[in-house]
Amino acid sequence: AQTVTQSQPEMSVQEAETVTLSCTYDTSENNYYLFWYKQPPSRQMILVIRQEAYKQQNATENRFSVNFQKAAKSFSLKISDSQLGDTAMYFCAFCLNAGNMLTFGGGTRLMVKP
Amino acid sequence: DGGITQSPKYLFRKEGQNVTLSCEQNLNHDAMYWYRQDPGQGLRLIYYSQIVNDFQKGDIAEGYSVSREKKESFPLTVTSAQKNPTAFYLCASSTPGTGRTGELFFGEGSRLTVL
Repeated sequence: AQTVTQSQPEMSVQEAETVTLSCTYDTSENNYYLFWYKQPPSRQMILVIRQEAYKQQNATENRFSVNFQKAAKSFSLKISDSQLGDTAMYFCAFCLNAGNMLTFGGGTRLMVKP
Repeated sequence: DGGITQSPKYLFRKEGQNVTLSCEQNLNHDAMYWYRQDPGQGLRLIYYSQIVNDFQKGDIAEGYSVSREKKESFPLTVTSAQKNPTAFYLCASSTPGTGRTGELFFGEGSRLTVL
């Protein structure tokens, strides 16, 4: 069974600064996908970024980028130029190739301060 | 607009009562999922359905039941057998096999409180 661990229950960052959220996972599989999902207060959860394990290049989506270390089973999310709208719960998630069965971490609550 | 609609947003239940949470999607997605969210535990999969008239148990199915009679609808019933039903419930949908593996579209959730 796969497990996903987010060791930072809460974090805060000043507006315009950079913050990194940590995620580690455990699997014996070689091919899989990793994700970061964002859950803003009282709003729908949305996908922020995804990474295919077979790709060595780290995924980037505008201000969001990941540091994927396959050997270390680490998948951190970096948010650059933090904005107030980035305040949310962030969940790291894992799935194998088939079926879209996601395993989620416990989440990190991020507060962006003005 | 296409999306997933969950209702009700807030629900109160007395112990011993069954309640049904509604989930409707107009995204034409084949797969639908129910997750339970508790503080510090992330999301845990209750049930999922990859096609109409078929569904599978997830990691925490005990005390829950579902049906999938229509592609658009995937209601979840929380039965009196569920020992600790107070939680936030999220419904999601996806289209497996389209190159968008793992991309789930979520509803806004339903918060169930047992009095």
